[in-house]
Amino acid sequence: AQSVTQPDARVTVSEGASLQLRCKYSSSGTPYLFWYVQYPRQGLQLLLKYYSGDPVVQGVNGFEAEFSKSNSSFHLRKASVHWSDSAVYFCVLRSNTGNYKYVFGAGTRLKVIA
Amino acid sequence: NTKITQSPRYLILGRANKSLECEQHLGHNAMYWYKQSAEKPPELMFLYNLKQLIRNETVPSRFIPECPDSSKLLLHISAVDPEDSAVYFCASSHGTDANSDYTFGSGTRLLVI
Repeated sequence: AQSVTQPDARVTVSEGASLQLRCKYSSSGTPYLFWYVQYPRQGLQLLLKYYSGDPVVQGVNGFEAEFSKSNSSFHLRKASVHWSDSAVYFCVLRSNTGNYKYVFGAGTRLKVIA
Repeated sequence: NTKITQSPRYLILGRANKSLECEQHLGHNAMYWYKQSAEKPPELMFLYNLKQLIRNETVPSRFIPECPDSSKLLLHISAVDPEDSAVYFCASSHGTDANSDYTFGSGTRLLVI
């Protein structure tokens, strides 16, 4: 069975602080992992993706994520958050073993305060 | 996001019939309908690849998808129910292989009263 767990439903950080949003996955095959961001009343936008190779992947707007096979994790990080980063962040898994469906985590709502 | 457009943006309905529309300008072969209820992640409703319905998740029969050509996707809804209130996202991808990213539309926000 494939699943994605985002253990933190809500995260609040101060502007300029560093950020880590956690994601744990379970997959029977090689996982293809994504982070999407959803700003208020908008669709989902791709931040970054991991297929293979370097476990640290760079995304847009200063975001990066690190894949760990041993920990079954794909945490999202940013060195210094801005108020405009306030949004909902989804970790997504796509298996390459025949079931190509996107499996979404529950999402983490990030609030950046002044 | 002008690469994949959805209409209407907002829809308020009683027990009526209505169709949601989606068009993508990316040359993608696969298109999807997702339903996102409040405070929840999107859930797949339908998947088309090359105009063929290849995945029909368990959704109420009052939802009927249509793919008139590879760039357009419709969702016909008959006799809506209050539980149908949600945002309906259209998405597309080059194919259905695992390394085909999705591009999402901005969604149609449906409110059933």
